[in-house]
Amino acid sequence: SQKIEQNSEALNIQEGKTATLTCNYTNYSPAYLQWYRQDPGRGPVFLLLIRENEKEKRKERLKVTFDTTLKQSLFHITASQPADSATYLCALDSGGYQKVTFGTGTKLQVIP
Amino acid sequence: NAGVTQTPKFRVLKTGQSMTLLCAQDMNHEYMYWYRQDPGMGLRLIHYSVGEGTTAKGEVPDGYNVSRLKKQNFLLGLESAAPSQTSVYFCASSWGQTDTQYFGPGTRLTVL
Repeated sequence: SQKIEQNSEALNIQEGKTATLTCNYTNYSPAYLQWYRQDPGRGPVFLLLIRENEKEKRKERLKVTFDTTLKQSLFHITASQPADSATYLCALDSGGYQKVTFGTGTKLQVIP
Repeated sequence: NAGVTQTPKFRVLKTGQSMTLLCAQDMNHEYMYWYRQDPGMGLRLIHYSVGEGTTAKGEVPDGYNVSRLKKQNFLLGLESAAPSQTSVYFCASSWGQTDTQYFGPGTRLTVL
């Protein structure tokens, strides 16, 4: 069956360190993958999109990689700050009627 | 630009009652979506629309109906609410099916 896996356990890191979040998927062949940020009580906000023919994408302190062989995307936040604390969702092109399927998200806590 | 707005923000219903959630977007997007978000389940697509006058079923459509009479509005209806429909409901919109989705702030619905 199709599955998107994000670490359900919260990730706690020290301010200034690099946070790395993982998104693994099975039985999908996505043409692209997106990352969203969600703060408590708010809707998700788009951060980055990476296509299957792109290995890496950067935006300011954010970096996303996409390995279609490993069926994995890594999301990095360098020089993390307490303001980066949030839940991060990956979403991938699932084709068919649904178009985009979201993972359950990983909660990141940056400790000052 | 207000982006995507949702009304109401909170609602408590008794089992069997009906209600309509309203989503409005001012970005002239063609695509609109209704999701529900439950702990540990991630965002699940209820219904979506690819343009004015069109609607289609998503992953979990049972118990819900939708209408898109105007391009900017997407309504989600619950005809006979059940406790299993207690959730946070998010509306989203996008230019096309592979584009970034813009989310509203959510509606927290409790069915007693």
